[in-house]
Amino acid sequence: KNEVEQSPQNLTAQEGEFITINCSYSVGISALHWLQQHPGGGIVSLFMLSSGKKKHGRLIATINIQGKHSSLHITASHPRDSAVYICAVSRGGSQGNLIFGKGTKLSVKP
Amino acid sequence: NAGVTQTPKFRVLKTGQSMTLLCAQDMNHEYMYWYRQDPGMGLRLIHYSVGEGTTAKGEVPDGYNVSRLKKQNFLLGLESAAPSQTSVYFCASSPGSLSLTTDTQYFGPGTRLTVL
Repeated sequence: KNEVEQSPQNLTAQEGEFITINCSYSVGISALHWLQQHPGGGIVSLFMLSSGKKKHGRLIATINIQGKHSSLHITASHPRDSAVYICAVSRGGSQGNLIFGKGTKLSVKP
Repeated sequence: NAGVTQTPKFRVLKTGQSMTLLCAQDMNHEYMYWYRQDPGMGLRLIHYSVGEGTTAKGEVPDGYNVSRLKKQNFLLGLESAAPSQTSVYFCASSPGSLSLTTDTQYFGPGTRLTVL
């Protein structure tokens, strides 16, 4: 069983819809990361959070540490949001490496 | 600032050939990483470095070697390429350990490697 699970694997939405991508993990973590991989392949970090909620523009990330679960929400979705969204967790210690989920492929239709 | 750059962007090798992938960052980051990304799988850590002159094994280190002779550069070597090493390789860097809640990771554009 993967230590980081994402759902759904694929998601198709109409422009303007509210989108939720879920991430659950089975290990103790110090932080959880949400990343976006563009269709061209580039990867950018969206959020890093260890508690509560963070908001950036139309993107909102929440985490429930006790429940070992995080969600990424996109409000008023737009075709330019089409990408693969990746959840990753970092564990404590000095190693500094991440454990990645397999990603959720989002396609937003106009 | 260029951020994190990778050379080359594409490469085709024959089985048994060797090559080196170069990663460079201009953000003075201590930590650098090499990942591979394969269809249907998440990014997997190959090797990483927590500072100049240091390297450590990640999740899938077999068949690869790395060196960090300069802080800004992290090299990934394939001594004898195999078809199983066909993948997209990403380099990344971070100011410090990702277990710290203030640090994030910056990725290079990726190198698409095909081994025939």
